[in-house]
Amino acid sequence: TQLLEQSPQFLSIQEGENLTVYCNSSSVFSSLQWYRQEPGEGPVLLVTVVTGGEVKKLKRLTFQFGDARKDSSLHITAAQPGDTGLYLCAGRGTGGFKTIFGAGTRLFVKA
Amino acid sequence: KAGVTQTPRYLIKTRGQQVTLSCSPISGHRSVSWYQQTPGQGLQFLFEYFSETQRNKGNFPGRFSGRQFSNSRSEMNVSTLELGDSALYLCASQGEGTDTQYFGPGTRLTVL
Repeated sequence: TQLLEQSPQFLSIQEGENLTVYCNSSSVFSSLQWYRQEPGEGPVLLVTVVTGGEVKKLKRLTFQFGDARKDSSLHITAAQPGDTGLYLCAGRGTGGFKTIFGAGTRLFVKA
Repeated sequence: KAGVTQTPRYLIKTRGQQVTLSCSPISGHRSVSWYQQTPGQGLQFLFEYFSETQRNKGNFPGRFSGRQFSNSRSEMNVSTLELGDSALYLCASQGEGTDTQYFGPGTRLTVL
């Protein structure tokens, strides 16, 4: 069974701080997605990473896919209250068509 | 391009009733997946449909069922509702040849 483990589960920081969220697995994924979800809404896609070692930047967010395509990280620079939300990583498992989701990291950025 | 739409956004039902939720995928997407999200369990996969055929199924009881129409719109049905079925139900569509799913806003189901 393929699993995606996210850490930390919860993070409460002050505005302006930096943070990193991790998504790890013992399995290889063809790609990984990162989503942000606000309460009562559906997850919104932030990025898809496909190539091992790939780094993508989206303003203050930096996403990295591990060389072996088993892990990924999301780094936020100078966090703002608007970054508050649930961050989910997801990957398409091998041997089937099911997308696997991590349990999520709940981020709260205090003004 | 319009995103994934789900109707209704909110539903209140009582135990024992049944409910049908609807999802319209992004135009051109033929794959539709359904998820249940609760605070305690996170996102749980229900099933995936592709070209009107169920392609994959999660570990949910038979009370949860779905179908997909020729225009790729999908419905899921929950019969004999239980209190534990209260959740946010999310639909996601996916284009061919990609791994990325795009989610709708969800339907919040409350079972009293």
